[in-house]
Amino acid sequence: SQQGEEDPQALSIQEGENATMNCSYKTSINNLQWYRQNSGRGLVHLILIRSNEREKHSGRLRVTLDTSKKSSSLLITASRAADTASYFCATDAHRSRDKIIFGKGTRLHILP
Amino acid sequence: GAGVSQSPSNKVTEKGKDVELRCDPISGHTALYWYRQRLGQGLEFLIYFQGNSAPDKSGLPSDRFSAERTGESVSTLTIQRTQQEDSAVYLCASSLGGPGGGGYTFGSGTRLTVV
Repeated sequence: SQQGEEDPQALSIQEGENATMNCSYKTSINNLQWYRQNSGRGLVHLILIRSNEREKHSGRLRVTLDTSKKSSSLLITASRAADTASYFCATDAHRSRDKIIFGKGTRLHILP
Repeated sequence: GAGVSQSPSNKVTEKGKDVELRCDPISGHTALYWYRQRLGQGLEFLIYFQGNSAPDKSGLPSDRFSAERTGESVSTLTIQRTQQEDSAVYLCASSLGGPGGGGYTFGSGTRLTVV
């Protein structure tokens, strides 16, 4: 069963603008992760935020987590052409810490 | 090796034939996962191995699918009597596992096409 769901499904923005993607989930979690996928092959781990954290930064990435709303957001600042990819959130089930379930992803397209 | 290795990278097979996909995880990673991704879709969980524990097979879509892992090393995913709906990219990932285990490292996947 699907745990995380990203919004929007697709997003196109101009290079240099900020991109925001959202993820909602259904059950309590231990942590939430964001991944990037280029060209429909292997995923690259971007950032992990634990349930007791509210915000985390990594370079141009900023992730927030609101456990009361069961939602997370990924912000990419000063977007670049190379950021064009699909972005997935993944959550673990509270009772199964090592098994994570992915959403369907947001397809981000950076326009030159 | 430095990363998760999957083979073959591409596989075309005739409907009804069996296929075997291989995954070499990162050395020392106790947890290994298989996911399936159909074109334009998200990742569908198939099976998860953690150390010597019984695998979590809850995501396998039918009894035509099976997977094995030898200790904490190589895993093979076998699909018997392939059907056209089995066409997808099959992704393997490994992680250190355990409570609060970090992110997964994914292989580049095997693109399976059933004709």
